Amino acid sequence: QQQVRQSPQSLTVWEGETAILNCSYENSAFDYFPWYQQFPGEGPALLIAIRSVSDKKEDGGFTIFFNKREKNLSLHIKDSQPGDSATYFCAARNGNEKITFGAGTKLTIKP
Amino acid sequence: ETAVFQTPNYHVTQVGNEVSFNCKQTLGHDTMYWYKQDSKKLLKIMFSYNNKQLIVNETVPRRFSPQSSDKAHLNLRIKSVEPEDSAVYLCASSYRGLEQYFGPGTRLTVL
Repeated sequence: QQQVRQSPQSLTVWEGETAILNCSYENSAFDYFPWYQQFPGEGPALLIAIRSVSDKKEDGGFTIFFNKREKNLSLHIKDSQPGDSATYFCAARNGNEKITFGAGTKLTIKP
Repeated sequence: ETAVFQTPNYHVTQVGNEVSFNCKQTLGHDTMYWYKQDSKKLLKIMFSYNNKQLIVNETVPRRFSPQSSDKAHLNLRIKSVEPEDSAVYLCASSYRGLEQYFGPGTRLTVL
């Protein structure tokens, strides 16, 4: 049973465009949602995170939009660059319980 | 800057052999984890461990076992590897179950 779902599985956008990565979840008890970025040959690295009491979080060119009622969130990457090409994982956690990861979205930015 | 160290980077072995992977974190975290990442990039948690409790994912075969000497080290032993064990094994750490920091991974190939 996959509790955190990501779409699309892969996404290609042109340099300078906004890339939008989607995530939905089933467990309404989840209250913390980190996004991780993984480059080939490396481990995932925390990129940005949001708590369920907020509906938006910005950090540089990365923005999370969170909809608690619909149980979904999205990561927007503004003015995307080829260096942003990576796999992005949406994750969710309930209190101090283990983090549940989505299956990832592979993002390719074409120059 | 790497703060979770894993060795080796790569390991190739034959079916039935025993392997051991090392992980060390220098962040002063109290919890460490092992994940398996398959060829489709799916992240599956195998173990989480702090100085009080080992939590095992019930789907992990018994040939896998974590070994810890102190809270900064958590090694992974596989007693008799099988072809389906080929994957990237990622070590991570966190403080009180908050943001997880990952190592670069160990890529295992079982021939």
